[in-house]
Amino acid sequence: EPEVTQTPSHQVTQMGQEVILRCVPISNHLYFYWYRQILGQKVEFLVSFYNNEISEKSEIFDDQFSVERPDGSNFTLKIRSTKLEDSAMYFCASSTTGVVPFFGAGTRLSVL
Amino acid sequence: KNEVEQSPQNLTAQEGEFITINCSYSVGISALHWLQQHPGGGIVSLFMLSSGKKKHGRLIATINIQEKHSSLHITASHPRDSAVYICAVEKTSYDKVIFGPGTSLSVIP
Repeated sequence: EPEVTQTPSHQVTQMGQEVILRCVPISNHLYFYWYRQILGQKVEFLVSFYNNEISEKSEIFDDQFSVERPDGSNFTLKIRSTKLEDSAMYFCASSTTGVVPFFGAGTRLSVL
Repeated sequence: KNEVEQSPQNLTAQEGEFITINCSYSVGISALHWLQQHPGGGIVSLFMLSSGKKKHGRLIATINIQEKHSSLHITASHPRDSAVYICAVEKTSYDKVIFGPGTSLSVIP
C-alpha cells in the first residue's frame, strides 16, 4: 500500500540551527501539505503546495519557514533558525485531488 | 488492518439533518483528535479527547476508551459543514499519531 514517508522520525537540534524535514509523498499525488502539532495541543496547518508553488499558508508559516520540491519525489520543510517553540511533531501529507490527504507518520522536532 | 478506521467513507446529507461519523481504533491511545479539512488543505482541529464527551456549538464528540470508539455528531447540519472529517489518535507508545482515512461530508441545501 502506498504511503507518505517522513525522515527522520526524530530530529534534535540546537536553538538557532537550521533544520530540514524531509517527506516523500505518494508518487502520483499532486497536492502536498505540512502540519504541525505542539505536544498536547491541536494539529495546525502550515502550508499547502501545488504545481510547484505554495497555494495556501497559515500565519504560523512565517519567513523562517520554507518548502521546496527539489526533485520529483521529495518535499521538504526548512526552518531557518529554530526556536524553542518550534518543538513539535511535523506531519507531511499528500493527495491526488486536494481532499482526504494521506499523512506521513511525522517527524518529532526537539529544539534544545 | 488499519489501526484507525472511519465510517462512512462518504456521506451526503440534507441540510438540517443530524450527522454521525464514527471512528474505531485498535491501539492504546493517550488522546484522540477530530479534524476538519476544507478544500485547499487547511486543517482545523475540532476536538481533542481523552475521555467522555465534548461539545462546541453544533458539534459533539464522544469517546469510549473501553470500546476503542469515538463518534462525531453534527446537529442541524449546514452546507458550510461540508468538508472532510479526520479522526487521529495519539498512541501511548512510540510517540506516534495515526490518522484515519477521513470521511467526506457533503451537506446539500
